[in-house]
Amino acid sequence: EVQLLESGGGLVQPGGSLRLSCAASGFTFGNSAMTWVRQVPGKGLEWVSTISRSGRSGAKKYFADSVEGRFTIARDDFKNTLYLQMNSLRAEDTAVFYCVKVAGGDGQDDGFDVWGQGTMVTVSS
Amino acid sequence: QAVLTQPSSLSASPGASASLTCALPSGVNVGASRIYWYQQKPGSPPRYLLTYKSDFSKQQGSGVPSRFSGSKAASTNAGILVISGLQSEDEADYYCKIWHNGAYVFGTGTKVTVL
Repeated sequence: EVQLLESGGGLVQPGGSLRLSCAASGFTFGNSAMTWVRQVPGKGLEWVSTISRSGRSGAKKYFADSVEGRFTIARDDFKNTLYLQMNSLRAEDTAVFYCVKVAGGDGQDDGFDVWGQGTMVTVSS
Repeated sequence: QAVLTQPSSLSASPGASASLTCALPSGVNVGASRIYWYQQKPGSPPRYLLTYKSDFSKQQGSGVPSRFSGSKAASTNAGILVISGLQSEDEADYYCKIWHNGAYVFGTGTKVTVL
């Protein structure tokens, strides 16, 4: 069974940092691009970042304008784990963060075919 | 970044067909775009439904019933999700998505109520 299990959410002060992790199982993690999507409770979905499968020159990374320069995405194909490092957090970053498997490997223009249950991040003093 | 506009809500009777629209901004050609559709029920993560580019380029999500289908309306530059034979279990929020200028963009979402 394909599973994605997020962890690392919690309460953090504005300006602080947090690292989310996503443990993947049930599929060949290294062959898949991976994505983070967030959702303010009661609101719509917002794409955050995507990382392609690793290639000879590394993995390609894509970020939403709203997080560019503050968030970084990384993957460890040996541990089958996806990460999201979030720095300079703001109140408007408060949301449920979903770890998502992309159907293909390059991360571009593809479906998000498996979703984790999500982890809540709250940015507040 | 681009904004995909969806009606905020739609109501229909069991057994009816519902057409959910996803309007692309004028600078984005729906004919050249893959449109992805997701369903989200309260308290659950979204579920991938399907991808539609054309009748010759489309994909159904695993386990998604064939009564969920995609189409496009070139005249209004919109993607369309059609749900045929509505069932009570189809009550949910539905989101469209595209890839544009190196980024993914989600639609504003439509809440479907089955009366």
